[in-house]
Parts: sequence; structure tokens; C-alpha cells
Amino acid sequence: LAKTTQPISMDSYEGQEVNITCSHNNIATNDYITWYQQFPSQGPRFIIQGYKTKVTNEVASLFIPADRKSSTLSLPRVSLSDTAVYYCLVGDFAPSGGYNKLIFGAGTRLAVHP
Amino acid sequence: EAQVTQNPRYLITVTGKKLTVTCSQNMNHEYMSWYRQDPGLGLRQIYYSMNVEVTDKGDVPEGYKVSRKEKRNFPLILESPSPNQTSLYFCASSRSGTGLSYEQYFGPGTRLTVT
Repeated sequence: LAKTTQPISMDSYEGQEVNITCSHNNIATNDYITWYQQFPSQGPRFIIQGYKTKVTNEVASLFIPADRKSSTLSLPRVSLSDTAVYYCLVGDFAPSGGYNKLIFGAGTRLAVHP
Repeated sequence: EAQVTQNPRYLITVTGKKLTVTCSQNMNHEYMSWYRQDPGLGLRQIYYSMNVEVTDKGDVPEGYKVSRKEKRNFPLILESPSPNQTSLYFCASSRSGTGLSYEQYFGPGTRLTVT
């Protein structure tokens, strides 16, 4: 399973765009990239998932370069409520069996300031 | 409302006293899993279940048991709790254990303290 590396913490201000980059040099062909958000004392919440290029939903965008060795979660115009821990996960797409093993690292602690 | 529920939410117990943390989901999900979260260590998977009667060990299964007799329920059993099992526990479920289904839904968590 590919290991991921993210910054331990980031700071931003309300209204700014925040980009959190995740490195996954050993990503395999069948791996997808998924991001979760976690608030204190709550379970993680799925944000976005992608395989290559760009994915956008109502919450965030995910940019994945052609070599897929990294990915960037982009949060547009953050607010105080976006203060949370963000996890980047890389996991197998295993249609023939096996299972989706999710490995959560330490994540990136984002602090949004007024 | 689609959700994963856990009970109890908070529990303080003593070493060696068997306990069960229940987990239930109402989304007809096949895949369920238990995690523990400790400061500085992120979430670590304890056990998972691909479907009814199918369970397997995650990364930190020692000291825990699980069962999956019904699709909706996945209880976590600590036969003889020890202080090193003091942690925040999360149950999660997803539509399937294989394929493009990484959207796991997490429960609210159970904070366990073993003295």
C-alpha cells in the first residue's frame, strides 16, 4: 500500500484558498486518492476522491498530476468552520477481491483564523 | 437519516471487565470496520468485515474481538480490557469492501477509558 506524506499543520485566514498537498510516490496503478476531514471528537467525513487530473465537487477540488505521485486538495474561500484535520489516503481498487484497506496517517491540521 | 450509531458514547471501566461497544448502520452497507484513534497516531484499523459472517484483522487486532451476525450490526468486544486500550473508537461502514467505494461513513465515536 502506498504511503502518504502531508504537512503536519497549516494556517490560513478566512476567505483564502487553501491547498494541501499530499505526496504518494509509490502509488500503484489501481490506487485511488481520497481525502477525509475530521473535526475534534467526530468521525472522519469523506470529502473527495479521484484517480487522475481534476475532480471538483461542492466542497473541494482535487488536483492530480499526470505522474500521480502527489495530489492537492484545494479548499476555496475557507471559513472558520473548515478548521479540522485533513487526511489523504491512497488505496487499492480491487474489483477481483481483496478489500479497500484505508490507512489514515497523522493528517494535516488546518487552522483557519479570523 | 442514513447513519452509523455507536453505543455507548462514553465508557469508563476497570481492567479485566468485559465490555461490548455496539455499532449499527441503516444503509444496508456490506463493509464495516472498527478503528481506534490515539493522539499522534491517527486512526488505526482494528477489524473489518466484508459482509455477514466475514471478518478479518486490521492493523491492531490484539485484545479485541468482533462478530458480524447481521448486516447492520458489528459489535466490538473487549474480553479483558487493559489501560492501553483507552482510546477513541470509531465504527465505519461503506457500500462495499471492494471497488470504488472509499466513502466510508463514520459513527460519532466511543471514548473508552480503562483504569
